[in-house]
Amino acid sequence: GIQVEQSPPDLILQEGANSTLRCNFSDSVNNLQWFHQNPWGQLINLFYIPSGTKQNGRLSATTVATERYSLLYISSSQTTDSGVYFCAVELIYNQGGKLIFGQGTELSVKP
Amino acid sequence: KAGVTQTPRYLIKTRGQQVTLSCSPISGHRSVSWYQQTPGQGLQFLFEYFSETQRNKGNFPGRFSGRQFSNSRSEMNVSTLELGDSALYLCASSSGLAGADTQYFGPGTRLTVL
Repeated sequence: GIQVEQSPPDLILQEGANSTLRCNFSDSVNNLQWFHQNPWGQLINLFYIPSGTKQNGRLSATTVATERYSLLYISSSQTTDSGVYFCAVELIYNQGGKLIFGQGTELSVKP
Repeated sequence: KAGVTQTPRYLIKTRGQQVTLSCSPISGHRSVSWYQQTPGQGLQFLFEYFSETQRNKGNFPGRFSGRQFSNSRSEMNVSTLELGDSALYLCASSSGLAGADTQYFGPGTRLTVL
């Protein structure tokens, strides 16, 4: 089956620093989403990005589908950015979709 | 509009018991998917329902089952609980247009099996 790999697995930043998280996937996919899991476990949608580049405030994401990777950029990080970031690719079966998640990048932003 | 809701938020059960978890999707969404999150296996797909029909099922034993009602609310059931079923169970809702829509997740139900 398709493999989704995220790097780095852990990242510690000082507040105000920038970072890049990477997601590689082993096969063609229908779409890709980035999520932030907060300390209470909820997955918060960041981007729905099957291809191209999107920006939302201090966050931006780029997916290069032909090369099977996606990047999440966090600029001027804040302590509230701490948590686990997941990328997930969607596969379609029987007209329905299922998400295959990477193992996540755990980000800790220190004040 | 209201987000995805899941009940209960926390649950403690003992081995051999069964449990039912509930998920109410965003109004107008017809697809509900369930995922299990554990420290060892990460986030894994359980099943997806659309218009009361199961469209897809993940690689889980038959002890895990689900259903969807006509109002799109979904329940999942786990019978004969095992210690390894301790996990965060997340449901996600979407319009059901696979490959063309964002999935929105609820806050999860944290199940502990003793």
